[in-house]
Amino acid sequence: EAQVTQNPRYLITVTGKKLTVTCSQNMNHEYMSWYRQDPGLGLRQIYYSMNVEVTDKGDVPEGYKVSRKEKRNFPLILESPSPNQTSLYFCASRDSVNGYTFGSGTRLTVV
Amino acid sequence: SQQGEEDPQALSIQEGENATMNCSYKTSINNLQWYRQNSGRGLVHLILIRSNEREKHSGRLRVTLDTSKKSSSLLITASRAADTASYFCATVGGGANSKLTFGKGITLSVRP
Repeated sequence: EAQVTQNPRYLITVTGKKLTVTCSQNMNHEYMSWYRQDPGLGLRQIYYSMNVEVTDKGDVPEGYKVSRKEKRNFPLILESPSPNQTSLYFCASRDSVNGYTFGSGTRLTVV
Repeated sequence: SQQGEEDPQALSIQEGENATMNCSYKTSINNLQWYRQNSGRGLVHLILIRSNEREKHSGRLRVTLDTSKKSSSLLITASRAADTASYFCATVGGGANSKLTFGKGITLSVRP
């Protein structure tokens, strides 16, 4: 089944403790992206990647890092999480005709 | 920044009725997409309409696009309680990123 898999689904962590949210897709898509969803603000793009080793900032990249060492994986790294990064995070991949597939989401709470 | 602005923000209808949701956007687009989200869960892609298309159908869904007015509408016919969810329009512009820019969403409640 074609899918985007994120892990973990839920995470509670403390301020400053580095964490990684993994994202993997099995559709051989070149384009992948991370979004965060916050009440009243909708979904906003954090980072995107056009292909392996090609990443760039989205609208709200501060406090995040990404890497794209292989096509299927696109992890989101929070080096020093802060409470304002408490959010619902979605990873997505896109095919050549702009069809997006989203992961199930990761609900992160930073205390 | 938000590109799509949905209207209304919330909609409550009776099962069997039709639901119409509208989306307006500000800049030129390559395509416009509608997504559904059930209570804090993942986003499900419903339909994509390209800038050179005016109407598209998929099952009980009908989407229209008016690029001169920079607006789109999503019609769900013969609604069911299972259609209760949040609905988002998202636009894709030009450029290499071709990112999805989402509106804030419409909450649809379908009463049994």
